[in-house]
Amino acid sequence: GENVEQHPSTLSVQEGDSAVIKCTYSDSASNYFPWYKQELGKRPQLIIDIRSNVGEKKDQRIAVTLNKTAKHFSLHITETQPEDSAVYFCAASPKAAGNKLTFGGGTRVLVKP
Amino acid sequence: DAGVTQSPTHLIKTRGQQVTLRCSPKSGHDTVSWYQQALGQGPQFIFQYYEEEERQRGNFPDRFSGHQFPNYSSELNVNALLLGDSALYLCASSLAGGLGYTFGSGTRLTVV
Repeated sequence: GENVEQHPSTLSVQEGDSAVIKCTYSDSASNYFPWYKQELGKRPQLIIDIRSNVGEKKDQRIAVTLNKTAKHFSLHITETQPEDSAVYFCAASPKAAGNKLTFGGGTRVLVKP
Repeated sequence: DAGVTQSPTHLIKTRGQQVTLRCSPKSGHDTVSWYQQALGQGPQFIFQYYEEEERQRGNFPDRFSGHQFPNYSSELNVNALLLGDSALYLCASSLAGGLGYTFGSGTRLTVV
């Protein structure tokens, strides 16, 4: 089955700096890669996703890149703000539509003011 | 527009007992997936229900079972509870053929 590894497990950045989280996956059949943000005690919320036919996707301060050949994808947050502090999870799925997601172990991001 | 609702929010059970968790999917969604999230870890897929049938299953023992009702709501049942079953149980709904999940806020299960 699919295996997703996520690094780093914790990330501390100064407000205004950029944060980068990296994930690798094992199943070449995976073609959908969402990122979730989970604040303490709250539900995971989808912040951005990418399909394997796209190499990069941006949404304001957030961007995701995908390298299918190397089987890795990354989340980039620019101009970080204190409200970006949370746990971020990457995930992979062999199918975009409602198929099971395999999650990485999570990255705890702390943005220091 | 109601999102995914789960009940109860918190639950404390004793080892060996049985528990039932409930989930109502987001309006318009017909597929329900259940995940277990242990403290400090990513969610782990338990199973998925569509058209009242279990369509996919993760690496969980038969003590974990589920059901989906005609109104698309779902239940997760866990028998013979172990201390290691203590976790946040997340329900996620989606639309067959659509994109992505909507997660509920979860049920925090503590087994003592």
